[in-house]
Amino acid sequence: NAGVTQTPKFQVLKTGQSMTLQCAQDMNHNSMYWYRQDPGMGLRLIYYSASEGTTDKGEVPNGYNVSRLNKREFSLRLESAAPSQTSVYFCASVGGRVWETQYFGPGTRLLVL
Amino acid sequence: DAKTTQPNSMESNEEEPVHLPCNHSTISGTDYIHWYRQLPSQGPEYVIHGLTSNVNNRMASLAIAEDRKSSTLILHRATLRDAAVYYCILIGGANRDDKIIFGKGTRLHILP
Repeated sequence: NAGVTQTPKFQVLKTGQSMTLQCAQDMNHNSMYWYRQDPGMGLRLIYYSASEGTTDKGEVPNGYNVSRLNKREFSLRLESAAPSQTSVYFCASVGGRVWETQYFGPGTRLLVL
Repeated sequence: DAKTTQPNSMESNEEEPVHLPCNHSTISGTDYIHWYRQLPSQGPEYVIHGLTSNVNNRMASLAIAEDRKSSTLILHRATLRDAAVYYCILIGGANRDDKIIFGKGTRLHILP
């Protein structure tokens, strides 16, 4: 039972390049989330998926797209990376009931030059 | 979304109790109060949650005000390992849309 896994752990991009951050969970959770965390700041919600086949915008969705490929996987795509997207990206998942715990992945550190 | 307010930072001495406050004056009747913490260079981890009654677990205690408009996370005997950012968030509610929003949290410094 690996929990929530994220790949890659670290990535450097040039402005304008694209990339996809991968996230997978093996806890059979319905809901999955992508957050970003800038240095010294709290987490901000980018997108979330309440169930397979659905996605919704969070607080800061601009510049990102997501895909809920199946129940296990939720990917985040940057189509044209900008320096403002330099951040640490965390994926998380949670079961279907409101009192359940949210589990986080180890994070992906992204540097856009 | 119901919001929470926490102090930006707090300090405590090692081996002393720590009380971390959180205000959530717009909480709805079905919102659960969750606390998470984030150690340096790690993702957040669950600490404790509650609805109306006070809660205890091996990590901490959660004291919830009678009107539920505030709560306090209590670390009974702080260690250096407890230095982290602590987030108080509300999950659930009558209009639950599955968003889970984190604020800026409280950065807890532990002095040796």
